[in-house]
Amino acid sequence: SQQGEEDPQALSIQEGENATMNCSYKTSINNLQWYRQNSGRGLVHLILIRSNEREKHSGRLRVTLDTSKKSSSLLITASRAADTASYFCATDGNAGNNRKLIWGLGTSLAVNP
Amino acid sequence: NAGVTQTPKFQVLKTGQSMTLQCAQDMNHEYMSWYRQDPGMGLRLIHYSVGAGITDQGEVPNGYNVSRSTTEDFPLRLLSAAPSQTSVYFCASSYSQPQIYGYTFGSGTRLTVV
Repeated sequence: SQQGEEDPQALSIQEGENATMNCSYKTSINNLQWYRQNSGRGLVHLILIRSNEREKHSGRLRVTLDTSKKSSSLLITASRAADTASYFCATDGNAGNNRKLIWGLGTSLAVNP
Repeated sequence: NAGVTQTPKFQVLKTGQSMTLQCAQDMNHEYMSWYRQDPGMGLRLIHYSVGAGITDQGEVPNGYNVSRSTTEDFPLRLLSAAPSQTSVYFCASSYSQPQIYGYTFGSGTRLTVV
């Protein structure tokens, strides 16, 4: 079952602009992760944010988490053509030792040069 | 450091044929998983393993078998291929708990069953 729902499904921006995508989830969580998938490739882990964190940065990436709204956002600043990819969120669903992740369907980002 | 290696990258099978998708990791990761990715369905967990000799079913295990005889290898066997198994298959590994450490993914195997 899919817990995370990314929004929007697709996003097209110009190089240099910022890109924001959102992830909503249904149950309480311990952690939320964001991954990137370039066309025809495997997923790459970008960042993990814990439920007691509100914001986290990694290079041009900024992730926020609002547990009261059960939502997270991923901001990519000063986007580049190489950022063109699909972005997925994954949560643990507060599953304790379950170790399984619950995946969203992804946001497809196109950065136009 | 190769990470997670999947072979083959592409495969075409006829209905009823069997085959094994290979997955190997060189990071001494304890946890390994197989996912399939289909348009509009996202990633679905097929089988996973928390260590050598231990495997368990995910969301969509029917038609697939796995074994984990070593820490490094986690092959996925299709017993009798069906067109519904046409998909992209990803192997992923994690140090211990993927919800804490995140996954390292392989580059995928694109399987077509005709």
